[in-house]
Amino acid sequence: LAKTTQPISMDSYEGQEVNITCSHNNIATNDYITWYQQFPSQGPRFIIQGYKTKVTNEVASLFIPADRKSSTLSLPRVSLSDTAVYYCLVGDMDMNYGGSQGNLIFGKGTKLSVKP
Amino acid sequence: GAGVSQSPRYKVAKRGQDVALRCDPISGHVSLFWYQQALGQGPEFLTYFQNEAQLDKSGLPSDRFFAERPEGSVSTLKIQRTQQEDSAVYLCASSPPTRAGANVLTFGAGSRLTVL
Repeated sequence: LAKTTQPISMDSYEGQEVNITCSHNNIATNDYITWYQQFPSQGPRFIIQGYKTKVTNEVASLFIPADRKSSTLSLPRVSLSDTAVYYCLVGDMDMNYGGSQGNLIFGKGTKLSVKP
Repeated sequence: GAGVSQSPRYKVAKRGQDVALRCDPISGHVSLFWYQQALGQGPEFLTYFQNEAQLDKSGLPSDRFFAERPEGSVSTLKIQRTQQEDSAVYLCASSPPTRAGANVLTFGAGSRLTVL
């Protein structure tokens, strides 16, 4: 299973763009990259998923270079409510879709603190 | 239902007691996951079901932990003879029956277990 490495914490100010980079050097060909957000006393919430290049949704963008050994979650113009822990995961969708292994492994995540 | 429902939200047990934690996934979600989250840590994978079949239980920390999903919907995580180190939040998640959604987990709010 591919392991991920993220910064433990990051600080930002309201209105800034925040980029959180995750390293996954041993990502496998079939692995997708998925990011989750977690607030205190809540379960993690799906943010975005991608395989290569760039993915954008209403919440964030995900940048994945050609070698796929890293990925960057970009949060535009953060607000105080974006203060949370952000997790980067890599996993084979076929494992979780009828496969023999539930293989979405969470690391410790990045604790983002947004200040006024 | 609209989301993943877990009960009880809070459980206090004396050391040695048995506990049962319930998860009601989103209707139609065939994959169901249990995670354990200690304070300040990321969620740790426990076990994974595809319908009623428990396909991966590699994360269960000891034989005191048992999970079941007899009819392929509601799941119960049972912990026998609880120990203080079992104190944690137990998260349940489910994912839709599509390959593209296999890694898009919807989490419940969790059951916080405190063992005295």
